[in-house]
Amino acid sequence: DGGITQSPKYLFRKEGQNVTLSCEQNLNHDAMYWYRQDPGQGLRLIYYSQIVNDFQKGDIAEGYSVSREKKESFPLTVTSAQKNPTAFYLCASSIDRSGGFNQPQHFGDGTRLSIL
Amino acid sequence: EDKVVQSPLSLVVHEGDTVTLNCSYEVTNFRSLLWYKQEKKAPTFLFMLTSSGIEKKSGRLSSILDKKELFSILNITATQTGDSAIYLCAVDSNYQLIWGAGTKLIIKP
Repeated sequence: DGGITQSPKYLFRKEGQNVTLSCEQNLNHDAMYWYRQDPGQGLRLIYYSQIVNDFQKGDIAEGYSVSREKKESFPLTVTSAQKNPTAFYLCASSIDRSGGFNQPQHFGDGTRLSIL
Repeated sequence: EDKVVQSPLSLVVHEGDTVTLNCSYEVTNFRSLLWYKQEKKAPTFLFMLTSSGIEKKSGRLSSILDKKELFSILNITATQTGDSAIYLCAVDSNYQLIWGAGTKLIIKP
């Protein structure tokens, strides 16, 4: 079945460490997104990518980095510059961005990141 | 600044009750409004609304959009314990989704 796979489900990070969250999709979607979800808040966009080798900053990109070397993969690195990384991270994809975001996004099951 | 506000933030009802969740918005360039259901993990898509007054329906769930008053409602009739979840509303504005904080719905047996 097609879908989005995020790994790991849980991740612990020591202060000063960079960590990378994986996101893979086999839906043949062009657009991919990373969101951060904190308790009591809506999803906030970190980065998005419309096409391979291209990506754009979202609202809260500071302290994060991404790459899009393959259509199916959009890994997120949480760097040591991100001072409050504890959160639930969601990856999503959509067919493309023609007409804007006017198409449903499909989500992975998320990665919960905690600081030790 | 674009914003999406959902109410109530949380709601506890008994099985069989009908609930109405609200989503109001103020955005610069409205394109569509989307509802998602999140049960601990991945949000799953429920509805996309683009036109006022046209109800979208899926089983016991229905939703409608009012573009004049800038809000949408999500109705769930004959609620079941499996409806317990966070319901998220998002508005597509200027090629970006603006998300509400969600309504946490708890259905007691």
